Amino acid sequence: KNQVEQSPQSLIILEGKNCTLQCNYTVSPFSNLRWYKQDTGRGPVSLTIMTFSENTKSNGRYTATLDADTKQSSLHITASQLSDSASYICVVRPRSNYQLIWGAGTKLIIKP
Amino acid sequence: ETGVTQTPRHLVMGMTNKKSLKCEQHLGHNAMYWYKQSAKKPLELMFVYNFKEQTENNSVPSRFSPECPNSSHLFLHLHTLQPEDSALYLCASSQDGIAPGGTEAFFGQGTRLTVV
Repeated sequence: KNQVEQSPQSLIILEGKNCTLQCNYTVSPFSNLRWYKQDTGRGPVSLTIMTFSENTKSNGRYTATLDADTKQSSLHITASQLSDSASYICVVRPRSNYQLIWGAGTKLIIKP
Repeated sequence: ETGVTQTPRHLVMGMTNKKSLKCEQHLGHNAMYWYKQSAKKPLELMFVYNFKEQTENNSVPSRFSPECPNSSHLFLHLHTLQPEDSALYLCASSQDGIAPGGTEAFFGQGTRLTVV
């Protein structure tokens, strides 16, 4: 069964610190993997997208990595800001169809 | 703003009520989606419309009834809901719902539904 597991479920860090969120998936073969940011009370917004052949993709202070061999992805946030407080969701698109496989997300809280 | 607008933002309804959620996209997209998001659970795809035609219905109970009058508007009609249906309902659109290449979905802000 295609699954996407994210860890940790929640994380609290101090402003200015770095953090890394994890995503493990069993979807194979897959077309691409996205990370979304979802602010409280809002819909998800795409941060990065990577195909199976890409290893890393950056978007400002956000850097996503992908290891297709171990079926793992990570989202690294550098020099965290209060506005980074949100849920971060990993989403994988199987190559066989267009239905997305969503993770449950990591809730990140940045404290001043 | 993402170009996808949902109304209302919040809705409280009794189990015998009938209400509708509305979604409108201004992006010229051809595919629209309804998702259900419950606390600490992955998003659940409910319905997919491509060029106004329903292409997916993921075993959603009949108390949820979608309607897509044109490619810019999507409704979710609700009747005789249960308390466990309380959740955030998200509408999304994408350029082409059947493209395998990873068309990005743009989400509305959601409707927070509480069934009492």
